Amino acid sequence: KAGVTQTPRYLIKTRGQQVTLSCSPISGHRSVSWYQQTPGQGLQFLFEYFSETQRNKGNFPGRFSGRQFSNSRSEMNVSTLELGDSALYLCASSLAGLADQETQYFGPGTRLLVL
Amino acid sequence: QQQVKQSPQSLIVQKGGISIINCAYENTAFDYFPWYQQFPGKGPALLIAIRPDVSEKKEGRFTISFNKSAKQFSLHIMDSQPGDSATYFCAASKNGQNFVFGPGTRLSVLP
Repeated sequence: KAGVTQTPRYLIKTRGQQVTLSCSPISGHRSVSWYQQTPGQGLQFLFEYFSETQRNKGNFPGRFSGRQFSNSRSEMNVSTLELGDSALYLCASSLAGLADQETQYFGPGTRLLVL
Repeated sequence: QQQVKQSPQSLIVQKGGISIINCAYENTAFDYFPWYQQFPGKGPALLIAIRPDVSEKKEGRFTISFNKSAKQFSLHIMDSQPGDSATYFCAASKNGQNFVFGPGTRLSVLP
């Protein structure tokens, strides 16, 4: 079974631009969660999508948004990029989602650098 | 109250030794405590998880000890191997919400 895939793997943007990251979950998984990982703040939960609906949301500004498609693939969008948005963005998929305490499988991440 | 504290920040252990990483939380509503292992260039991977109705859970060389009254939980890696060298994160959540992670512990196991 293929694992979680994320594209692109690396991305360089400038302040003020917007960016869209993509995540394809493991086949059959309906939940996709997104996380931001930085040296200073560590791992932080962004949001979870399940069956095309946002189910949980972390403490991030509205510039961070996401969506999930009917095939469970998910995209995350960051608008008006700031230097502090430079991070590794990870997505994770699970069968039934975080509320069921199902095992999450993480992708390799997208490394975003904002100049 | 949402924070999860983790110590030590880094740990060096000889091969065959025991690695111990500790975490503490404030929110008594947390009901799920997973540990993740992350290698450089990879995403985290679930290692082992525990719920507060259990005081200890063992899977192979990995054991979680949970102390509900002290609001602490720890990961023990027995017979540590160089291949265990990675960063370990504890985490906590309530009903899949408020998913918070500790800052991580970088473990180095010397051959």
